Amino acid sequence: DVQLLESGGGLVQPGESLTLSCVASGFSFKDYAMSWVRQAPGKGLEWVSTIRGNGVTINYADSLKGRITISRDNSRKTVYLEMKSLRADDTGLYYCAKASTYVTNDFDHWGGGSLVIVSS
Amino acid sequence: EIVLTQSPATLSLSPGERATLSCRASQSVIRYLAWYQQKPGQAPRLLIHDASSRATGIPDRFSGSGSGADFTLTISRLEPEDFAVYYCQQYDASPLTFGGGTKVEIK
Repeated sequence: DVQLLESGGGLVQPGESLTLSCVASGFSFKDYAMSWVRQAPGKGLEWVSTIRGNGVTINYADSLKGRITISRDNSRKTVYLEMKSLRADDTGLYYCAKASTYVTNDFDHWGGGSLVIVSS
Repeated sequence: EIVLTQSPATLSLSPGERATLSCRASQSVIRYLAWYQQKPGQAPRLLIHDASSRATGIPDRFSGSGSGADFTLTISRLEPEDFAVYYCQQYDASPLTFGGGTKVEIK
């Protein structure tokens, strides 16, 4: 079974940094793009970033570009999201999601999410 | 950026009724459109990909249709477990975008 397990969330002050991790199992990790999607409390889904299996092709949401870095370690089956200069509106549940095929960016498996709270 | 507009925002129906949810894109996404179901406290679940293909394990009461910029998710007969929020997502172009969601609630 495919499993995605996020970690690294927590309470941080505005302006601080945080790195989220997502450990994958149950599929050939290196072959699939991985993404981060976030959800503010009581709100809808917002795509954050995607990294292809090769780790070279990367896309970011414009609203976050410059403050986030996505990366992956295929040997550890882990994808990371480094976030800097965090703001109150970055508060939310951050999901790790797996692409459903080698070439598309719909998401057939999601982790349970890692909660990030930005507050002083 | 491709904007996805879902309607209605809320759909109040009874179990056994048919639900019809709409997702309209600001430009063509061909058929690169997915639907997700999200229940409170849970991660989203993929229902439909490529506009009309059911994901693994999804009951056949869920169906998707459409192409270009207009898409529909139909739930033929609502079961108690279908009351949830539904999101569409386009993956034709970056940035990937989601619609604002439709809440299907019990009437």
